[in-house]
Amino acid sequence: KNEVEQSPQNLTAQEGEFITINCSYSVGISALHWLQQHPGGGIVSLFMLSSGKKKHGRLIATINIQEKHSSLHITASHPRDSAVYICAVQETSGSRLTFGEGTQLTVNP
Amino acid sequence: DTEVTQTPKHLVMGMTNKKSLKCEQHMGHRAMYWYKQKAKKPPELMFVYSYEKLSINESVPSRFSPECPNSSLLNLHLHALQPEDSALYLCASSRPSGRLNNEQFFGPGTRLTVL
Repeated sequence: KNEVEQSPQNLTAQEGEFITINCSYSVGISALHWLQQHPGGGIVSLFMLSSGKKKHGRLIATINIQEKHSSLHITASHPRDSAVYICAVQETSGSRLTFGEGTQLTVNP
Repeated sequence: DTEVTQTPKHLVMGMTNKKSLKCEQHMGHRAMYWYKQKAKKPPELMFVYSYEKLSINESVPSRFSPECPNSSLLNLHLHALQPEDSALYLCASSRPSGRLNNEQFFGPGTRLTVL
């Protein structure tokens, strides 16, 4: 079992839909990261969370430390949101990141 | 400046070549990382430098040789690579490890093809 599990693996949505990507983890963490990677591209950090909720534009990230679960929500999705979204946890022992397998999101116009 | 830059963007090399990948940041970060990412897979950690000293080597073959000449620069020297080493090589930087939550800033990557 992976230490970081994401679901779904693939997600196709129509423009304007509300999207949720989930991440569960099994280790003790000091922070959880949501990352975005466009095809062939580098990685952009969207959020770093250690508790509660954060919002940036149409993106919202939440974390429940007790349940070891985080969600990334995209409101009013747009084709430019099409990318791989990766959940990564920073274990309490240091700065090493453990990555989930990623969620491939495709938003159709 | 909140950017990590990597050069070159693309690199094609033969198995007998020697080449280097370069990574630079000017955010005052004292931890720098090399990752390898194969298609449709998450990044795999290769090396971590903390205060210009190698702190983590994830059992990477010696044909990959990292170097951190100063606090802003990180190099990855490549020699006698194999075709299976073809991948996207990502550099990242952060404040040094500790009990703080340290966001990692990633570069755009170097797409390496070994023929």
